Amino acid sequence: EPEVTQTPSHQVTQMGQEVILRCVPISNHLYFYWYRQILGQKVEFLVSFYNNEISEKSEIFDDQFSVERPDGSNFTLKIRSTKLEDSAMYFCASSLTSGAQETQYFGPGTRLLVL
Amino acid sequence: QKEVEQNSGPLSVPEGAIASLNCTYSDRGSQSFFWYRQYSGKSPELIMFIYSNGDKEDGRFTAQLNKASQYVSLLIRDSQPSDSATYLCAPVWGSARQLTFGSGTQLTVLP
Repeated sequence: EPEVTQTPSHQVTQMGQEVILRCVPISNHLYFYWYRQILGQKVEFLVSFYNNEISEKSEIFDDQFSVERPDGSNFTLKIRSTKLEDSAMYFCASSLTSGAQETQYFGPGTRLLVL
Repeated sequence: QKEVEQNSGPLSVPEGAIASLNCTYSDRGSQSFFWYRQYSGKSPELIMFIYSNGDKEDGRFTAQLNKASQYVSLLIRDSQPSDSATYLCAPVWGSARQLTFGSGTQLTVLP
């Protein structure tokens, strides 16, 4: 069964460093998402991406964040200058369409720890 | 601000019982409602979704939606210890159909 994959599974970085989180969505999916979950808190929407551009973003997704689809398979989230409060689990998700009944499939997540 | 409220629990039920999980939401524009299950340290996995008022059954799971009351629920029949997890309610909104998750209800099924 096709699945969303994410690398790395864990990332430890120093405050102020740049990190890139990678995702490989399901191959025929067209809509891509990043969510994050701070430990003990709810899953929060960050950004959605379609046709090589951002379609929606939340207030969390400020200028330190960027997303890119550098090739036909990868979808990346870059955090330019990490802060302590960026420590969280980051989930990538993908869906075939953006229909209201379309399921988003989540990857296993990348646990980011900023020291 | 779109709000999704769930009882945080923990909710404990004995094995074989019915577990009832509730969710209210603030955005009347939400069109579909997804229930995900999340085991500790893992990613959300889809249980089912509902978009029409009334009940929708899928195996041991039944979702109920009442748009007038802005209320959605999930019933789990014949609960199993493997059902022990956090259950996330997630209305869909926005042009990109992003999910707005509630904080989740922690369910424990006791053997």
